[in-house]
Amino acid sequence: KQEVTQIPAALSVPEGENLVLNCSFTDSAIYNLQWFRQDPGKGLTSLLLIQSSQREQTSGRLNASLDKSSGRSTLYIAASQPGDSATYLCAARGLSGTASKLTFGTGTRLQVTL
Amino acid sequence: DAGVTQSPTHLIKTRGQQVTLRCSPKSGHDTVSWYQQALGQGPQFIFQYYEEEERQRGNFPDRFSGHQYPNYSSELNVNALLLGDSALYLCASSLWGQPQHFGDGTRLSIL
Repeated sequence: KQEVTQIPAALSVPEGENLVLNCSFTDSAIYNLQWFRQDPGKGLTSLLLIQSSQREQTSGRLNASLDKSSGRSTLYIAASQPGDSATYLCAARGLSGTASKLTFGTGTRLQVTL
Repeated sequence: DAGVTQSPTHLIKTRGQQVTLRCSPKSGHDTVSWYQQALGQGPQFIFQYYEEEERQRGNFPDRFSGHQYPNYSSELNVNALLLGDSALYLCASSLWGQPQHFGDGTRLSIL
């Protein structure tokens, strides 16, 4: 059974700081790993998706890496802004047989202060 | 192009009642998945529908059931509501096997 853990649970940083969010998963047999953003009381917005054959993906100030062998992924946010304040969730997708099932971590709640 | 839409946005029920939540997938999508997200937790997979059949199910009791219609829209039904069923219920749609797009969810409160 896949288990996904995110550290830290909460993080507060001043504006402009670079930061790293961590995600670990117990079963390395994944199809892909996805990072989401969730604003309070809202749904999930996909940020980056890394296929199992890839090592990293980049979008603007965001960079996600994947190390399947060690069961780890990181989300790097450069030059953080107050608008980045949200909860960040990672989710691992299982291989065929578990189809599109996503297993989520509990998230990291990020606050970027002025 | 509308994304995934869920209704209602908020709902208050009492213990023992039954509830139906609705989801319209993004245009062109044929697969709908449902997740339960308790406060402060990550979403937990409930089940997935494709071609009007339940294809996968998470670790949820039979009180949770669903349906998918020929137009790909879907319903989540929960019977005999418990206080612990209070959560944000998220619907996600996709083409079969492709990345999921999430709606804004239905906030269900049980009194």
